[in-house]
Amino acid sequence: ETGVTQTPRHLVMGMTNKKSLKCEQHLGHNAMYWYKQSAKKPLELMFVYNFKEQTENNSVPSRFSPECPNSSHLFLHLHTLQPEDSALYLCASSQELNSGRALSNEQFFGPGTRLTVL
Amino acid sequence: RKEVEQDPGPFNVPEGATVAFNCTYSNSASQSFFWYRQDCRKEPKLLMSVYSSGNEDGRFTAQLNRASQYISLLIRDSKLSDSATYLCVVNGGGATNKLIFGTGTLLAVQP
Repeated sequence: ETGVTQTPRHLVMGMTNKKSLKCEQHLGHNAMYWYKQSAKKPLELMFVYNFKEQTENNSVPSRFSPECPNSSHLFLHLHTLQPEDSALYLCASSQELNSGRALSNEQFFGPGTRLTVL
Repeated sequence: RKEVEQDPGPFNVPEGATVAFNCTYSNSASQSFFWYRQDCRKEPKLLMSVYSSGNEDGRFTAQLNRASQYISLLIRDSKLSDSATYLCVVNGGGATNKLIFGTGTLLAVQP
């Protein structure tokens, strides 16, 4: 059992729906991430939040909108998605140094939300 | 060139076999290296970090060659429970905690 939880675990939505994915980490970490995992492709980083500030947006379409209200919670708001957005969406967290050093620490993943867009 | 490149496999090996996975990365500024394991329909979990001096954890040995930008993972005495996808992961280099994942190598250990 990891210290990162995600809800819902499965989601089916139409292209005109609006939904939100939720992630919560219970590890006291200061960085949180959204990844997309599609079949036969590597994990794709979508967004990075360090100390609640978004520090990375990996050219993600605006139909995906992240929100980080505090260091323990991360949301991904979905609107007007396309069928090709169907994938496993994984949240992760880590404890990072705030020194600008080029080091990364272990990321702990949640179980993911399997999203199907019809 | 892919940022992190792995042989996707599958590697089908009998129980007790020794198997090695290789990975190359393109960013010479990368400073952190990991092997993650991902079981079918589950999230990735850290298997081990990889250090320049090489490191061992039980049946698992990881090696890093910075000059060749090459990482390896050796599994000895394979168990059925080792069947999974093994992900090579490096950080994006620079002052960033961005991780770059390979596509993974699928290992199937046969009885």
